[in-house]
Amino acid sequence: GNSVTQMEGPVTLSEEAFLTINCTYTATGYPSLFWYVQYPGEGLQLLLKATKADDKGSNKGFEATYRKETTSFHLEKGSVQVSDSAVYFCALRGYSGGGADGLTFGKGTHLIIQP
Amino acid sequence: NAGVTQTPKFRVLKTGQSMTLLCAQDMNHEYMYWYRQDPGMGLRLIHYSVGEGTTAKGEVPDGYNVSRLKKQNFLLGLESAAPSQTSVYFCASSTSGTGEDTFGSGTRLTVV
Repeated sequence: GNSVTQMEGPVTLSEEAFLTINCTYTATGYPSLFWYVQYPGEGLQLLLKATKADDKGSNKGFEATYRKETTSFHLEKGSVQVSDSAVYFCALRGYSGGGADGLTFGKGTHLIIQP
Repeated sequence: NAGVTQTPKFRVLKTGQSMTLLCAQDMNHEYMYWYRQDPGMGLRLIHYSVGEGTTAKGEVPDGYNVSRLKKQNFLLGLESAAPSQTSVYFCASSTSGTGEDTFGSGTRLTVV
């Protein structure tokens, strides 16, 4: 079956530091890949996505590249801000004979940015 | 511009009680999903629907039932609540299943 593995948290960084959150996946076929962000007490919001190999998703200074050869979708940001503090989820969507499946999520990485 | 609305937002149940969680979307999405979120577990798919009148099991369906009588609504039922069902429940919807999901704000359920 499908699975997503992402680095455990919490990850604590200083403001303006470089961020990398690793994500690797296992899936059959050609899944779509996503990063979602969850702020305290809220639902999940889509941060970025990529639907095929070598695609780069980007949004709000975050980016991730769909690497099929390494089955990875690492999240990066050049200079983090305190407002980036949240829980980040890597996820994939596979496609079975009945159409699109539900999302398969990693366990989440809690990011804490200190001023 | 409501998106996905979940009711109720909070609920405390006693073991053995039943309840229904309601999810409503106003985006005319075909696909709808119910997930549960537990600490250290990420989100796991309970049931989903690919259109009005259809439902299918996800990763953790036991103890739950669902119905999709109208395209815009997706109901999640607990017939006999157990403490193991204490969780935060999220509903989501998407168009044609190929795009990203839009999530509701969640229902925090405690079973005592």
